Amino acid sequence: GAVVSQHPSRVICKSGTSVKIECRSLDFQATTMFWYRQFPKQSLMLMATSNEGSKATYEQGVEKDKFLINHASLTLSTLTVTSAHPEDSSFYICSAELAGGRETQYFGPGTRLLVL
Amino acid sequence: DAKTTQPPSMDCAEGRAANLPCNHSTISGNEYVYWYRQIHSQGPQYIIHGLKNNETNEMASLIITEDRKSSTLILPHATLRDTAVYYCIVRPEWGTGANNLFFGTGTRLTVIP
Repeated sequence: GAVVSQHPSRVICKSGTSVKIECRSLDFQATTMFWYRQFPKQSLMLMATSNEGSKATYEQGVEKDKFLINHASLTLSTLTVTSAHPEDSSFYICSAELAGGRETQYFGPGTRLLVL
Repeated sequence: DAKTTQPPSMDCAEGRAANLPCNHSTISGNEYVYWYRQIHSQGPQYIIHGLKNNETNEMASLIITEDRKSSTLILPHATLRDTAVYYCIVRPEWGTGANNLFFGTGTRLTVIP
């Protein structure tokens, strides 16, 4: 099956610093990747949709200047949390849609971010 | 955006079948029913999806009522590793609308030894 990886799996950073999270499709090409956020005991919430070679589309209430998304290739999308604050602490999960595929999104294992 | 209704939690004895219900009374003709599950602190895992016919794969079976207003995910022989939150998601056919998935609150299934 299609495999999606995320790196790092967990990160702790100081308030005010920036953190980059990578999402890779390991054995398939993904024209579209999605970034979700999940707070404790809550469900996943879509943050943005990332299309290869174009600007990401952000959901309402998600600051595009704070959560920078780059989808430079068909196998890699990155999410950078800029000037992180404790309230940004969350579980960040990406998913990838198979290029030309029609049915399924494949999810990464998630990245747990803790901002001190 | 909640198009589905699921019970918040269920228990199932190990080795028995787990039947997880989902109501989607406002489903449109071109919308599929997808099931994902999320084991604690992991990313969601695709299980199965269907339009109107019953579906079966190596993980589970999906039974969709004739009027398509509800469905049931069946794990035929639940194991402790099936303990997870199960999400029932309704979405249009791929490529005909937004391809993102809306995750509701799901059903927390606990498999009991």
